[in-house]
Amino acid sequence: GAVVSQHPSWVICKSGTSVKIECRSLDFQATTMFWYRQFPKQSLMLMATSNEGSKATYEQGVEKDKFLINHASLTLSTLTVTSAHPEDSSFYICSAALWGTYEQYFGPGTRLTVT
Amino acid sequence: AQSVSQHNHHVILSEAASLELGCNYSYGGTVNLFWYVQYPGQHLQLLLKYFSGDPLVKGIKGFEAEFIKSKFSFNLRKPSVQWSDTAEYFCAVNARAFGTDKLIFGTGTRLQVFP
Repeated sequence: GAVVSQHPSWVICKSGTSVKIECRSLDFQATTMFWYRQFPKQSLMLMATSNEGSKATYEQGVEKDKFLINHASLTLSTLTVTSAHPEDSSFYICSAALWGTYEQYFGPGTRLTVT
Repeated sequence: AQSVSQHNHHVILSEAASLELGCNYSYGGTVNLFWYVQYPGQHLQLLLKYFSGDPLVKGIKGFEAEFIKSKFSFNLRKPSVQWSDTAEYFCAVNARAFGTDKLIFGTGTRLQVFP
């Protein structure tokens, strides 16, 4: 149980375009989903926390207009990287949690390369 | 602000050697503590967690960790490592007082085990 999927697993896009990444909890309803960014050989940096049906809470330094997060249902959250630039190239990981359990289940990640 | 420190950035061991990875956090209140593992090319998996009770917790694959409140530490141990333990290990902390499931991750420790 507690499986989280991400789609796509990797994506290459041109500078200036937008990319959408989906995060789904497959066998449970996630009241909260988290989006992280991981640079090579570094730790996970929390970008934002999203609760179903409400606006995402962004961490300090994360541009909310650039990284649009939508959490429309208890099983789906999306991250859209708008007007992507090469510096946005990274590994984006989502996780999902049941309310009050303090335990997160991680997706396999999405490798974004902006050319 | 909460922070998590992992002092060992890169550990190299031979099979059957004992392992201890350090993790210290900076928050004086009640915390939930986690160790995650990321095998090459795979997503993060939960190794073990501590919420309350016995400060010595056992996880999967023979790993255990000890919560020492007075030292703000949650070190990960394994008596005898295997080649298959080669991975990146992340310590993470959640502060319950914030009423959120947000995790703060350490910088990670890369473990290489040679046969």
